[in-house]
Amino acid sequence: AQSVTQLGSHVSVSEGALVLLRCNYSSSVPPYLFWYVQYPNQGLQLLLKYTTGATLVKGINGFEAEFKKSETSFHLTKPSAHMSDAAEYFCAVSLSNFGNEKLTFGTGTRLTIIP
Amino acid sequence: EAGVAQSPRYKIIEKRQSVAFWCNPISGHATLYWYQQILGQGPKLLIQFQNNGVVDDSQLPKDRFSAERLKGVDSTLKIQPAKLEDSAVYLCASSQPQGGGTDTQYFGPGTRLTVL
Repeated sequence: AQSVTQLGSHVSVSEGALVLLRCNYSSSVPPYLFWYVQYPNQGLQLLLKYTTGATLVKGINGFEAEFKKSETSFHLTKPSAHMSDAAEYFCAVSLSNFGNEKLTFGTGTRLTIIP
Repeated sequence: EAGVAQSPRYKIIEKRQSVAFWCNPISGHATLYWYQQILGQGPKLLIQFQNNGVVDDSQLPKDRFSAERLKGVDSTLKIQPAKLEDSAVYLCASSQPQGGGTDTQYFGPGTRLTVL
């Protein structure tokens, strides 16, 4: 079984400041990890994903995340926040078993950007 | 490339009524998913199809929810009868299997259901 914990349901940062959204996972097998973004009244859009290999993953819109196995974490960062980053962000995990692509999502973090 | 289409976008019904949602996945995507997203929570998988077969429906409340994907393309999700706790956004997603859990799921805009 797998699970995801997102620390902080709401995060506010000033425009231009560092964005850090926290995600910790639990998985019985090596996980695949994802970050999705959801803008109001829209579906989820993939920001980035970790499967194997390099632990620092770069995604769209300047976001990146680092897989740290020892800490069971996959935190999302962006060096400089932009107003357009205001949205809800979901961390998700799936198992590395063929034919089992079931995503388990965290409860989400709403990011607010302060002008 | 057209994305995942869903309709209707919004639906308001009384409890004990029936409702159906429709999803048209991205062309060529063999895998289709229905998720339920309750306000303040992350999406929860209800059912996963591979072509027209069910892969996982372990979290589908089968006494009231049903889903089908008869020709392996479009899908419908039905609730009969609806309860107040069914108020949520129902998201459809599709992917093209590549194996090993690395598939990227593409999501539609969702259907927001309000049960009064």
